[in-house]
Amino acid sequence: QSVLTQPPSVSGAPGQRVTISCTGSTSNIGAGYDVHWYLQRPGKAPQLLISGNSNRPSGVPDRFSGSKSGNTASLTISGLQAEDEADYYCTSYTRGSTWVFGGGTKLT
Amino acid sequence: QVRLQESGPGLVNPSETLSLNCTVSGGSISNSYWSWIRQPPGKGLEWIGYIYYSGSTRYNPSLKSRVTISIDTSRNHFSLRLSSVTAADTAVYYCARLRDGAYAYWGQGSLVTVSS
Repeated sequence: QSVLTQPPSVSGAPGQRVTISCTGSTSNIGAGYDVHWYLQRPGKAPQLLISGNSNRPSGVPDRFSGSKSGNTASLTISGLQAEDEADYYCTSYTRGSTWVFGGGTKLT
Repeated sequence: QVRLQESGPGLVNPSETLSLNCTVSGGSISNSYWSWIRQPPGKGLEWIGYIYYSGSTRYNPSLKSRVTISIDTSRNHFSLRLSSVTAADTAVYYCARLRDGAYAYWGQGSLVTVSS
C-alpha cells in the first residue's frame, strides 16, 4: 500500500479531459512539500511531467497541468490523445526526509 | 545533457547481496542528489534512497537495514548494495538525479531477478 493514494485507473475518449488525484497526509503533501508527476510508458523509464505542483518542463505540452490544495494534488490532461495512454505517478518529499510515490494510475 | 546508466548482474541468488552501479555522463556528479528507485514487475515505483555528492545518505525506512548507497566522485558513479535479497526484491532498478526537487533524469533501468 503506497503512502500517496492514486486511483488505480482512469479512462477517457480522445479530446476529453481527465483528472488524476494524489492524496497524501500532513507528513508529506500537507506539510507543504511540492508534488511532482511522472509519466511512464510500457517498458520505459518514468519521465518528469510536472514539477513543483504545476510547472511543465520544457517539451511537455500545455495539455498537461497540475495543482495542489491541502493534502491533495491533481494532474489534469486536456484534449486527450492516444499517445497519452500510460501510467502516471505522483511523488512528494516527506517530513522524514524521504521520498514517497503514489501507487500509479493507468490511463486508458 | 546528463545521462545515467545502470550496470550490474541481472540474476542474484536468494540471501546474497544485490550490487548495481550507476555511471553519470554529460555532467559532474558533484553538487547533486543521486537516488535509486525500483519497480517490481507489474507494480508501482518504490523509492530506495539517495546520496548527496558529499556522501550523506537517506534510505527508505522499510529497506534501511539492508541498503547501502555509496558514491565515487572521481569516477562519476554511485552504487547500490542491497543485502539478504529475496524474491520480493526482484525489480527493475532505476538510478535518478534530482533537479529543482524533482527526478528530472533517469537511467533506462536494470532488471534484477532474485532466483536460484
